[in-house]
Amino acid sequence: SQQGEEDPQALSIQEGENATMNCSYKTSINNLQWYRQNSGRGLVHLILIRSNEREKHSGRLRVTLDTSKKSSSLLITASRAADTASYFCATDSTGAGSYQLTFGKGTKLSVIP
Amino acid sequence: DGGITQSPKYLFRKEGQNVTLSCEQNLNHDAMYWYRQDPGQGLRLIYYSQIVNDFQKGDIAEGYSVSREKKESFPLTVTSAQKNPTAFYLCASRKISPVVEAFFGQGTRLTVV
Repeated sequence: SQQGEEDPQALSIQEGENATMNCSYKTSINNLQWYRQNSGRGLVHLILIRSNEREKHSGRLRVTLDTSKKSSSLLITASRAADTASYFCATDSTGAGSYQLTFGKGTKLSVIP
Repeated sequence: DGGITQSPKYLFRKEGQNVTLSCEQNLNHDAMYWYRQDPGQGLRLIYYSQIVNDFQKGDIAEGYSVSREKKESFPLTVTSAQKNPTAFYLCASRKISPVVEAFFGQGTRLTVV
């Protein structure tokens, strides 16, 4: 079963606007990660936030984590056409000795020039 | 250059035929993963391995088999028992001590003809 569920499934914005994507998950986690996928390519890691962290920044990316609500959000500020891609959250669960990495269904972001 | 390599990029399979997808990494990563991605969908875990000669089933292991005889290699065989194998297959690897992000190959697109 897929652990994370991203929302919305698709998002279309104008260049320069901010994009916010949300991820909800079901079980306790060690960390949550966000990845990006350009069409027909492999995934690229964007940012990792640990369960004891609440917010993390990397360039134009801001990730928040609320473990009480089992949710995370990814904010891309001042979006560019090159940000057009699918974005996935992935969770590392807390099972003993298990390093299973589980992905959600993704949010497809379109940034219109 | 260090990285994770999947081959071939495109693969065509006849009905009833077994095919093997290659995944090699020279990053000295402990864990390796196989995911299946259907059009417009997220990633579903097929198998993963945390150590040589050991692997665990993911959510959709039926019709697939793997081996991990070397740390660098984690081939996936799609057997004739997999009734709907047409999909995009992604291999990933990462260190697990400490747990960090995963690195992905560029994927293999498998089509049944």
